[in-house]
Amino acid sequence: DIVMTQSPDSLAVSLGERATINCKSSQSVLYSSNNKNYLAWYQQKPGQPPKLLIYWASTRESGVPDRFSGSGSVTDFTLTISSLQAEDVAVYYCQQYYSTPLYTFGQGTKLEIK
Amino acid sequence: EVQLVESGGGLVQPGGSLRLSCAASGFTFSNYWMSWVRQAPGKGLEWVANIKQDGSEKYYVDSVKGRFTISRDNAKNSLYLQMNSLRGEDTALYYCARVRIPATQYDAFDIWGQGTMVTVSS
Repeated sequence: DIVMTQSPDSLAVSLGERATINCKSSQSVLYSSNNKNYLAWYQQKPGQPPKLLIYWASTRESGVPDRFSGSGSVTDFTLTISSLQAEDVAVYYCQQYYSTPLYTFGQGTKLEIK
Repeated sequence: EVQLVESGGGLVQPGGSLRLSCAASGFTFSNYWMSWVRQAPGKGLEWVANIKQDGSEKYYVDSVKGRFTISRDNAKNSLYLQMNSLRGEDTALYYCARVRIPATQYDAFDIWGQGTMVTVSS
């Protein structure tokens, strides 16, 4: 099984500042034949289901603000919020879909306002 | 509007059974792989099971193999999860989720329901 490990577990950032969340996979999620990283990021606000933000490690889902960006490759990935807004307070999860059907998620990173 | 609506959760004793349902609308349900994902109270996300668009392939996380059965009825635009021999560790909010692109399981989940709560307790 591919284990996804996020860091940090929680993060407090001032409004307007940059927030960075890391995700590391226990093995590569890069499929060499198409050069795609099978990695997604989700945002979950209290009492709501997860919302897809990023897929293929760096492609923003339609409607997601451009302050959200994803980067990284192979085993190391980052979600960056360039200028934190109050509505970005949430728990963020990374997920690999390389070794389907066994999709695995990171443990989550709780993002708060400092 | 593309939507998934779960139902069927509730309180059940250990060893009991429940059948969850997920009603899909706003898209061609029969074209998509579908999954169940659960979230224990205060915990993270765990994929539980998925099913191919025609129901010919089904997969499960090890912890539910032999106890849970995923199925679908494309004529009714519905996904199901039959849960037997329930344990305390199955207590969670159960979401149904759609894979983003038709006819593949190798993609992210773009549509999620609001979830239905299953509590296993005596």
